[in-house]
Amino acid sequence: NAGVMQNPRHLVRRRGQEARLRCSPMKGHSHVYWYRQLPEEGLKFMVYLQKENIIDESGMPKERFSAEFPKEGPSILRIQQVVRGDSAAYFCASSPPSGDTEAFFGQGTRLTVV
Amino acid sequence: AQRVTQPEKLLSVFKGAPVELKCNYSYSGSPELFWYVQYSRQRLQLLLRHISRESIKGFTADLNKGETSFHLKKPFAQEEDSAMYYCALIRSGTYKYIFGTGTRLKVLA
Repeated sequence: NAGVMQNPRHLVRRRGQEARLRCSPMKGHSHVYWYRQLPEEGLKFMVYLQKENIIDESGMPKERFSAEFPKEGPSILRIQQVVRGDSAAYFCASSPPSGDTEAFFGQGTRLTVV
Repeated sequence: AQRVTQPEKLLSVFKGAPVELKCNYSYSGSPELFWYVQYSRQRLQLLLRHISRESIKGFTADLNKGETSFHLKKPFAQEEDSAMYYCALIRSGTYKYIFGTGTRLKVLA
C-alpha cells in the first residue's frame, strides 16, 4: 500500500492562473480531507469528502476554491484565479470507512504563486 | 473556540537528555488528543493518541483535563527523534483535526 499520494509535490502558478491539486487516498479508504498550512501556522481543515459527496466544506474559502472526489479517480482541490495569499502547503489525508479518527496524510503539495 | 497551543517553535536538547514538548488545548467537551510527527522529507504520521495510552518510540503523553494539557515526553532523547511535532485534537465523534503550529525538536549529538 503506497499510502496517500499527492501530486504534484511542488506547483508554481502565476497570479490569475488555476491550480489543480490531486490526491489518491490509501487503498480501501473512502474518506478524504484537505488541509492547508500557511507559513508559520498549523494545518487548517478545509473540506471533507466521500465518494461523489462533499460532507463538510466549512473550512473552504467562499470563492475560487472547490473540491471533488469522483467515483473514479483522485480527489481534486481546485483553486481558480490564484493570488499570492494562496501560497501554502496543501495536505490531503484519508481514513477508512470504519470511522476510526486516525488520518493518514500525503506528503503535501507546496503551491507557490508568483 | 477550539484551539491547540504549542508554545515552543523550536526545542533543542542534547542526546540522552529528557524531552518535553508542550501542548495545551482549549475545548469545553471531551476531545480526542493526538501527537503527529513529521520527519525530514517524510509525511505527517501518527505518533500516539491519548485513548490508546501507548508508548511509541519511547514517547508518552498524558491527558491532563484539569490543566487542559497533553504534553509529549521522552526520558532520553535520541538523534533520530529530530523532527517536527504537531499536537492535534478532534472533538469526539467527529473528523476535523485542529492542529497546533508545531514544535521543531532538534536533538544534538
